[in-house]
Amino acid sequence: TQLLEQSPQFLSIQEGENLTVYCNSSSVFSSLQWYRQEPGEGPVLLVTVVTGGEVKKLKRLTFQFGDARKDSSLHITAAQPGDTGLYLCAGITGNQFYFGTGTSLTVIP
Amino acid sequence: NAGVTQTPKFRVLKTGQSMTLLCAQDMNHEYMYWYRQDPGMGLRLIHYSVGEGTTAKGEVPDGYNVSRLKKQNFLLGLESAAPSQTSVYFCASRVYPRGAEAFFGQGTRLTVV
Repeated sequence: TQLLEQSPQFLSIQEGENLTVYCNSSSVFSSLQWYRQEPGEGPVLLVTVVTGGEVKKLKRLTFQFGDARKDSSLHITAAQPGDTGLYLCAGITGNQFYFGTGTSLTVIP
Repeated sequence: NAGVTQTPKFRVLKTGQSMTLLCAQDMNHEYMYWYRQDPGMGLRLIHYSVGEGTTAKGEVPDGYNVSRLKKQNFLLGLESAAPSQTSVYFCASRVYPRGAEAFFGQGTRLTVV
């Protein structure tokens, strides 16, 4: 069992739709990050949240860190084909750096 | 600036063979990590290091060993490969602060037959 569970595992939507991806854990993290991974590449950082309740926006992407610092969500508004990829949350606790199970997003033109 | 470089990029092993994966970073990062990525499992932490000469176990360390003899290099060894170790392996490095970005290599696709 992985420390961080993401839902849904797969998501296929039409261009222009909105979506939310969830990242949940029973553990508390000092900070949480979201990464996106393209096929054949390593993950690339999208955002870092460090304070419980923190909300960060990156263009059409909104990230929220739960008040208890155990969970997070990623909301995409008006999804575009360029948003297609694998989205991974990552929790940092002490020296360890754990990734979630991943959400594979496909945006259909 | 090369960032994080993994070698080799692809490898096919027979069951029982051994091999070493090399991760090299040129960013003077203290922390380095080895992950494996399997379908539906995201990235799972194998071993990590917080500095030269130090290593620690992650979530799935069995069947793997690591060494960090030089700050810039982190080696992952498989002493006796098993088909269950077929996976894509990623190395990452980052600096100490809790919010620091992790930089990844491009991965090594390993198949054990």
